[in-house]
Amino acid sequence: EAGVAQSPRYKIIEKRQSVAFWCNPISGHATLYWYQQILGQGPKLLIQFQNNGVVDDSQLPKDRFSAERLKGVDSTLKIQPAKLEDSAVYLCASSSPAGSGNTIYFGEGSWLTVV
Amino acid sequence: SQQGEEDPQALSIQEGENATMNCSYKTSINNLQWYRQNSGRGLVHLILIRSNEREKHSGRLRVTLDTSKKSSSLLITASRAADTASYFCATAPSGNTPLVFGKGTRLSVIA
Repeated sequence: EAGVAQSPRYKIIEKRQSVAFWCNPISGHATLYWYQQILGQGPKLLIQFQNNGVVDDSQLPKDRFSAERLKGVDSTLKIQPAKLEDSAVYLCASSSPAGSGNTIYFGEGSWLTVV
Repeated sequence: SQQGEEDPQALSIQEGENATMNCSYKTSINNLQWYRQNSGRGLVHLILIRSNEREKHSGRLRVTLDTSKKSSSLLITASRAADTASYFCATAPSGNTPLVFGKGTRLSVIA
């Protein structure tokens, strides 16, 4: 079974530039998550999708972050404009069904450095 | 906000010793899970314990849950250098709410 795929793995951008991360979840997983993990901390949920609908985006900084999952499969997370404090690993994860009672499977992450 | 808090923040032991990590949380939970993260990698699920369970085993892992104290512990027996990683507890407050992760314990196992 293929795991959660993410790209790019690494990205360095200047502040105020934009960046997009892509995620393809495990086949058949209806629930998709984006987490932000700052160095030395645990992952923080940014947004949760169930199929192509948003379940929870309460911690997504909507003035600069956006995410979509138009066809209910792969997803894109965008940051525009980036700030220095956005430097982090952006982890995509999926589960089936919704994850609280089930295992969440994580991708390897996309490492963002904003300079 | 982070629900779980792991203790200690960092732990260094010799190969063959046991490693114990603790997690405390604030609100009632449906279940508690432990994940491992190797440096530069994603998180890997280790074990899930439900709120009505007190202890669970998986290979060299033993997890306990005390809902009255709102705490859990992860014991890794006979540790190996390959166990070097960060370990996170994650709680699910209820139903289908998303998992909330703690800050993690960084374990170093010295050969």
